[in-house]
Amino acid sequence: AQKVTQAQTEISVVEKEDVTLDCVYETRDTTYYLFWYKQPPSGELVFLIRRNSFDEQNEISGRYSWNFQKSTSSFNFTITASQVVDSAVYFCALSESGGSQGNLIFGKGTKLSVKP
Amino acid sequence: GAVVSQHPSRVICKSGTSVKIECRSLDFQATTMFWYRQFPKQSLMLMATSNEGSKATYEQGVEKDKFLINHASLTLSTLTVTSAHPEDSSFYICSAGRKSPSGNTIYFGEGSWLTVV
Repeated sequence: AQKVTQAQTEISVVEKEDVTLDCVYETRDTTYYLFWYKQPPSGELVFLIRRNSFDEQNEISGRYSWNFQKSTSSFNFTITASQVVDSAVYFCALSESGGSQGNLIFGKGTKLSVKP
Repeated sequence: GAVVSQHPSRVICKSGTSVKIECRSLDFQATTMFWYRQFPKQSLMLMATSNEGSKATYEQGVEKDKFLINHASLTLSTLTVTSAHPEDSSFYICSAGRKSPSGNTIYFGEGSWLTVV
């Protein structure tokens, strides 16, 4: 069965600290996609990244970086030099249908609070 | 700008009435759209898959007679919450996948906050 686990329910950091949000997934498929979304209080989902199961290269986008490790079924997300605007709930998600259909399985989310 | 749009963004309705939420793909055709529900401080849970021109596929535990889904065109899916009750108050959000050379990109609507009083 497919499952996404975000063990950290809430994280609080002080501005400029680095923070890593953990994501562990379970799937029996060999082809799958992993996602990270940011959800600010307004509710909309902001797309951050999509990674397919065949691409284990780590990715960096500005202050954001992602570490995909198939050996441990993890797809962790790190924010470097966090800012107050990073405060939000972050969701990790999995799609087993090759990402083509949009049927995502979400983790429970990690609420990140960045204090000034 | 938004690629998938939802309307209304917020709605309050009286218990027992029905409310319709629209999900539109703005510049692409979506044969399949997805409806999710998110209760406060919880994760997003897939409710149903909306298929253009055919019946929706509902997830286990979701009442199809209560949550009516109509996908009458390639750019519009509607979710109607019938005989709404306070426990239906939630955040409803839709998604659609748009094909691109690099693969499919999934876009979410802005979401709709439903409050049943």
